[in-house]
Amino acid sequence: DAGVIQSPRHEVTEMGQEVTLRCKLISGHNSLFWYRQTMMRGLELLIYFNNNVPIDDSGMPEDRFSAKMPNASFSTLKIQPSEPRDSAVYFCASSFRAEGNTIYFGEGSWLTVV
Amino acid sequence: AQKVTQAQTEISVVEKEDVTLDCVYETRDTTYYLFWYKQPPSGELVFLIRRNSFDEQNEISGRYSWNFQKSTSSFNFTITASQVVDSAVYFCALTGAQKLVFGQGTRLTINP
Repeated sequence: DAGVIQSPRHEVTEMGQEVTLRCKLISGHNSLFWYRQTMMRGLELLIYFNNNVPIDDSGMPEDRFSAKMPNASFSTLKIQPSEPRDSAVYFCASSFRAEGNTIYFGEGSWLTVV
Repeated sequence: AQKVTQAQTEISVVEKEDVTLDCVYETRDTTYYLFWYKQPPSGELVFLIRRNSFDEQNEISGRYSWNFQKSTSSFNFTITASQVVDSAVYFCALTGAQKLVFGQGTRLTINP
């Protein structure tokens, strides 16, 4: 079975540019999470959705960040405009509540803003 | 608030030694789940184990074992006869209402 699929795997962009990260959930999963990992702050939950509805976006750092689930299997995380401090690995993860909340992660999107 | 503490930032051992990674958690939820994830040098996060708050049985999977003690709010992970391929960052995590909170991770280095 396919796992969580993220794209792009690596992106280098210039400060001020818009960045869009994409995520496809595991088939049948109904919860979607976006995490950010940096050396300084570790793994931080940015936002999560249940059944396409954002439940908790308290981890979204500022208005430059936005996340959407246009359908049940796909999500985007957008940063506009990007800044060097946004450089991090962004992980998407999904789960199915009935399975006791095991959360499966994608391979991550490595973002560098120069 | 939920919190996970992994006091060991880095551990380095020689191959074939046993090593235990500590995890202490805080939660007010009566039902919760604890996890361990492995992050090898390639960067992905690999799920290792889930334990629910009502199941205090220890678990063994090959060279891996987990010790869950509610009385001390701990969920420790032991690797027996460590191998170089076990080198990775290991994260302990906790979820109550489906918000997974991670510890800071323990970087484990197994030297040949």
